[in-house]
Amino acid sequence: AQKITQTQPGMFVQEKEAVTLDCTYDTSDPSYGLFWYKQPSSGEMIFLIYQGSYDQQNATEGRYSLNFQKARKSANLVISASQLGDSAMYFCAMREGTIIQGAQKLVFGQGTRLTINP
Amino acid sequence: DAGVIQSPRHEVTEMGQEVTLRCKPISGHDYLFWYRQTMMRGLELLIYFNNNVPIDDSGMPEDRFSAKMPNASFSTLKIQPSEPRDSAVYFCASQNRARSNQPQHFGDGTRLSIL
Repeated sequence: AQKITQTQPGMFVQEKEAVTLDCTYDTSDPSYGLFWYKQPSSGEMIFLIYQGSYDQQNATEGRYSLNFQKARKSANLVISASQLGDSAMYFCAMREGTIIQGAQKLVFGQGTRLTINP
Repeated sequence: DAGVIQSPRHEVTEMGQEVTLRCKPISGHDYLFWYRQTMMRGLELLIYFNNNVPIDDSGMPEDRFSAKMPNASFSTLKIQPSEPRDSAVYFCASQNRARSNQPQHFGDGTRLSIL
């Protein structure tokens, strides 16, 4: 079974609109972390935001926020006031397990290609 | 602060040749990861190290692939002999301490083409 599912292969949004990128995950471990990365056309992977399974509040970082719904196992990324520079691939990733040696693997989803139109 | 540094950025070589990819992690980071990214398979973890020791190499596709980390500031990923299906972008990433909220910081990647 897929650990991380991103159901939107591509999204097109008008500049200045808010956009939500979907991510659902599958784990039986009560301790896990969820990460979002951005990959622009230049190819580098840029860390955006983190949400821990025990965090009481949704994570926020500037224009990025996470809509974390634990019971539904979803961790959707919300980008407010989108900009042309937000056009990129976006990856959701999960790290399972407690903090022991060997529990540092990240599993990535297939990504969503976001295009911001002027 | 310098990020993760990978070299070369691009590599084009013929099938059968040895390929060596290099990575310098962020100073002070305890973990180093090698990933491969392809259109078909997405981002796959190949191997990772903790304090220069390989912890999990279950993602290494076959014996043609090997990785080493001789010291805290340098790692190599070798493919010998290379095959066209090895063509991909290879990323190195490093992480500071074994805490759940620590992200992996990625290098810019090496785009490898095997002809």
